[in-house]
Amino acid sequence: SSELTQDPAVSVALGQTVRITCQGDSLRSYYASWYQQKPGQAPVLVIYGKNNRPSGIPDRFSGSSSGNTASLTITGAQAEDEADYYCNSRDSSGNHLFGGGTKLTVL
Amino acid sequence: EVQLVESGGGLIQPGGSLRLSCAASGFTVSSNYMSWVRQAPGKGLEWVSVIYSGGSTYYADSVKGRFTISRDNSKNTLYLQMNSLRAEDTAVYYCAREGRYYDSSGNYNWFDPWGQGTLVTVSS
Repeated sequence: SSELTQDPAVSVALGQTVRITCQGDSLRSYYASWYQQKPGQAPVLVIYGKNNRPSGIPDRFSGSSSGNTASLTITGAQAEDEADYYCNSRDSSGNHLFGGGTKLTVL
Repeated sequence: EVQLVESGGGLIQPGGSLRLSCAASGFTVSSNYMSWVRQAPGKGLEWVSVIYSGGSTYYADSVKGRFTISRDNSKNTLYLQMNSLRAEDTAVYYCAREGRYYDSSGNYNWFDPWGQGTLVTVSS
């Protein structure tokens, strides 16, 4: 199907590790990219490809992929990581898809 | 510094038209894939349209036939012409540069950078 599915909300204790997942058939052909969005701000790219971080993104952010599932892992979550996270890929037509977003709460 | 700055949003009545602009600095719009992505209030991200460096254009089904993406190479600016606007087009509209890459392990794509967004409100 031409959809990307994310859990609506996830929480993590400060300093612990959290995994945010994204599922969809398109992920068998296209790597996911991941975006962090804080309230009132534009999305920011945090991970793309197999596990690539843009300049300025902390190394506690990492990505992985297996079959139809892509994952964003934050190792040692910080208070400033509280945000919405979106995955992105492309469908069989080449058009873009976004997941519904995961709201991450850092406790 | 690589930067995108959108403008042109506002309040428009249903059925009306609006043109959004996205001025780029630090890179050349015409040498890149450029997209528009929107976000309805309190909702997630929705891809709207892309223009390839070669000039080909593609649209989401929700806007096909009503929206037109274009660019002005002399101004290094991306545009989105929106016609026959509906209430459901109300959203913050972001422009973004798209990166694409392919190797033996698969296809990569990403959006970076993004503009700050411009709000379009369709209401009577």
